[in-house]
Amino acid sequence: NAGVTQTPKFQVLKTGQSMTLQCAQDMNHEYMSWYRQDPGMGLRLIHYSVGAGITDQGEVPNGYNVSRSTTEDFPLRLLSAAPSQTSVYFCASCHRFGDGTEAFFGQGTRLTVV
Amino acid sequence: SQQGEEDPQALSIQEGENATMNCSYKTSINNLQWYRQNSGRGLVHLILIRSNEREKHSGRLRVTLDTSKKSSSLLITASRAADTASYFCAPRGGSEKLVFGKGTKLTVNP
Repeated sequence: NAGVTQTPKFQVLKTGQSMTLQCAQDMNHEYMSWYRQDPGMGLRLIHYSVGAGITDQGEVPNGYNVSRSTTEDFPLRLLSAAPSQTSVYFCASCHRFGDGTEAFFGQGTRLTVV
Repeated sequence: SQQGEEDPQALSIQEGENATMNCSYKTSINNLQWYRQNSGRGLVHLILIRSNEREKHSGRLRVTLDTSKKSSSLLITASRAADTASYFCAPRGGSEKLVFGKGTKLTVNP
């Protein structure tokens, strides 16, 4: 059971470049979300999804796009990278209802925009 | 939003001492979860307490929940250097989005 898998682990981008951070889970979780974490800060929610075909914005959505075409995958797209998007990105998934709503996290993607 | 706020922001103790951190939230919940984050890693789920429970134990962890005060506490007994991490609470209500506060940064000195 792989859990939540994020790729890549590290990435350096030039300002203006675009890229996609990948997130996949194999636990049939309905809910998936993306966060960014800056030094000394908590996790800020970027986008989230409560099921395939459904996405919504979090606290800091600007500059990021998401889609959820399958239950397993929830990619995060940076359209035109900016230095302010230098951060560590985490993906998480969980069930929506019931007692088993504890979230599982990926190991993170460390992104540097120069 | 179900965001919790952890207090204190930072806590430094000696190995063997107990560590207590608190979480406050604003709306009704179904359960409240605590997570640990070791430096730079993804969060790891520690314990879940349901809204109809007042106290729950798991190993050296003890969680309490007071829904009338909309607050929870996490107690780590006999702390070890390996407990050094940031701790986050996540109040969960229905199918709402999962959000976190800034966490409590615990340092356990050997």
